[in-house]
Amino acid sequence: AQSVTQLDSQVPVFEEAPVELRCNYSSSVSVYLFWYVQYPNQGLQLLLKYLSGSTLVKGINGFEAEFNKSQTSFHLRKPSVHISDTAVYLCAVSVPGSSNTGKLIFGQGTTLQVKP
Amino acid sequence: DAGVTQSPTHLIKTRGQQVTLRCSPISGHKSVSWYQQVLGQGPQFIFQYYEKEERGRGNFPDRFSARQFPNYSSELNVNALLLGDSALYLCASSLAVIEGTEAFFGQGTRLTVV
Repeated sequence: AQSVTQLDSQVPVFEEAPVELRCNYSSSVSVYLFWYVQYPNQGLQLLLKYLSGSTLVKGINGFEAEFNKSQTSFHLRKPSVHISDTAVYLCAVSVPGSSNTGKLIFGQGTTLQVKP
Repeated sequence: DAGVTQSPTHLIKTRGQQVTLRCSPISGHKSVSWYQQVLGQGPQFIFQYYEKEERGRGNFPDRFSARQFPNYSSELNVNALLLGDSALYLCASSLAVIEGTEAFFGQGTRLTVV
């Protein structure tokens, strides 16, 4: 079975500072990796995804993530955050070729709090 | 284009009652998935439907059921509601059941069971 762990439930950071949100996964098979953002009273929006190829993935709103297979990690980074980045960030995996194709397994989420 | 729409946005039910949640996917999307998100946790997969057939099921009791209609909209039904069913229920649509395909989420239905 697969699982996703987001090590920090809350990350406070000042505006214009860099941020890294950590995500580790457990799986005996290869997985696809995703980061979603959830703004208050809104649905989830895809930030970026890793399917194959380059381990550095660039997404929307200036976010990027790096896939590290040996450490089973997929940490999300942004060099300079804005107040508008305040939201819940969710890391997820899916298993290619599984009977539940398309099923996303999510971590617990990390609340990014950007302070002025 | 309209995104994924869910109705109602909020509702309150009593223990033991039944509830039906509705989802309209993005135009052209044939796959719909349902997730339950309890406060403070990540979404948990409930069902996936494609072309009106169930293509995936999560670890939820038989009180949970769903269906997809010819226009690709979907309903999630929950019978004999428990307090623990209180959660945000999210619907996601995608073009097809293809690995790695982006899922687009609706705003969710907030269910409170009292």
